[in-house]
Amino acid sequence: AQRVTQPEKLLSVFKGAPVELKCNYSYSGSPELFWYVQYSRQRLQLLLRHISRESIKGFTADLNKGETSFHLKKPFAQEEDSAMYYCALSVNAGGTSYGKLTFGQGTILTVHP
Amino acid sequence: GAGVSQSPSNKVTEKGKDVELRCDPISGHTALYWYRQSLGQGLEFLIYFQGNSAPDKSGLPSDRFSAERTGGSVSTLTIQRTQQEDSAVYLCASSFKIIGLAKNIQYFGAGTRLSVL
Repeated sequence: AQRVTQPEKLLSVFKGAPVELKCNYSYSGSPELFWYVQYSRQRLQLLLRHISRESIKGFTADLNKGETSFHLKKPFAQEEDSAMYYCALSVNAGGTSYGKLTFGQGTILTVHP
Repeated sequence: GAGVSQSPSNKVTEKGKDVELRCDPISGHTALYWYRQSLGQGLEFLIYFQGNSAPDKSGLPSDRFSAERTGGSVSTLTIQRTQQEDSAVYLCASSFKIIGLAKNIQYFGAGTRLSVL
């Protein structure tokens, strides 16, 4: 079975500092990896996905299959980045992609002024 | 509507009562998912619908939980004889799927916060 681990429940940085939210996964096949974000009093929303290889709001994440990691990084954190971040994984099941997401426990990021 | 709509936004019930939670997905989205967000367990998958059928019910925690989807649109999650451990936020998500090519960007509703007293 697949598993997603986010080792940090809480992460605090100061505005302008670099930030890295760690995510490790276990799955023997080729998963699809996502980062979802939940800002205060807002719904869960997609931040980025590994197949897009894009930067959203200054965040990037690279899939490292050797280390089975998908860490989220931003070089200069902003106060508005404060939120709950979830790493999630989706797999193909028998050739049919049901697409259900397996989530990590989440990391609460606080960016101090 | 523009997004996934869930109702009610909050539900308080007494232990042993039945509850129904509703999800209205984005128009045209054929895939629909239910998840549960609780303090102890984080975000957990419950059930997946493709159209009106549910090929994956593996996350339903007990036979007190059931769900249906009608007309390829609205879905209802029913919890019978609620227990205190059912207290959680129940999230619904929908996505647009092309057969043979999954476009698995899931759009989430705001959730229903269920409190079982």
